[in-house]
Amino acid sequence: KQEVTQIPAALSVPEGENLVLNCSFTDSAIYNLQWFRQDPGKGLTSLLLIQSSQREQTSGRLNASLDKSSGRSTLYIAASQPGDSATYLCAVRQGGGSEKLVFGKGTKLTVNP
Amino acid sequence: DGGITQSPKYLFRKEGQNVTLSCEQNLNHDAMYWYRQDPGQGLRLIYYSQIVNDFQKGDIAEGYSVSREKKESFPLTVTSAQKNPTAFYLCASSIHLASYEQYFGPGTRLTVT
Repeated sequence: KQEVTQIPAALSVPEGENLVLNCSFTDSAIYNLQWFRQDPGKGLTSLLLIQSSQREQTSGRLNASLDKSSGRSTLYIAASQPGDSATYLCAVRQGGGSEKLVFGKGTKLTVNP
Repeated sequence: DGGITQSPKYLFRKEGQNVTLSCEQNLNHDAMYWYRQDPGQGLRLIYYSQIVNDFQKGDIAEGYSVSREKKESFPLTVTSAQKNPTAFYLCASSIHLASYEQYFGPGTRLTVT
């Protein structure tokens, strides 16, 4: 059974700092991995999608990497801003034709001005 | 604007009543999904639909029902058989199957007393 773990559960940093959020998964037979952002009481916003054949994806100040063999992904946020404060979720889609996304519990990020 | 709408944002019901949550998308996506989010837990898949008139159970389908009569609409009914219905419900869609990003609606918070 696939399990997705995100460490740390919460992170507080000063504005301007570069930071890394971690995501690990137990079954490397994934189709893709997706990073989301969730603001309090809101839906999820898709940030980056990495296919299993890719090593990384970039969007603006965000860079996500994927090491499928070791079951790890990282989300790198450069020059953090208070507006980056949110919960960040990673989710993996299983291979083998599964439609299921398995989510981690998220990392709650606070960027202090 | 293209997107996913969920209504209402907040919903209150008495125990023993069925309630239907609305999800509409104008993205022309084939696949639609319903997730449940509880505090401190990852999102869990309730039901999903790949095409009109077809849907499949997810991990926690008991006490829920869905229909997919139109491509744009995927309503979720929370029945009185659902033992712990109070939660945040999120609807999502994707262009087609596994390789594509899932996009999420703003969510409906259901409180049953």
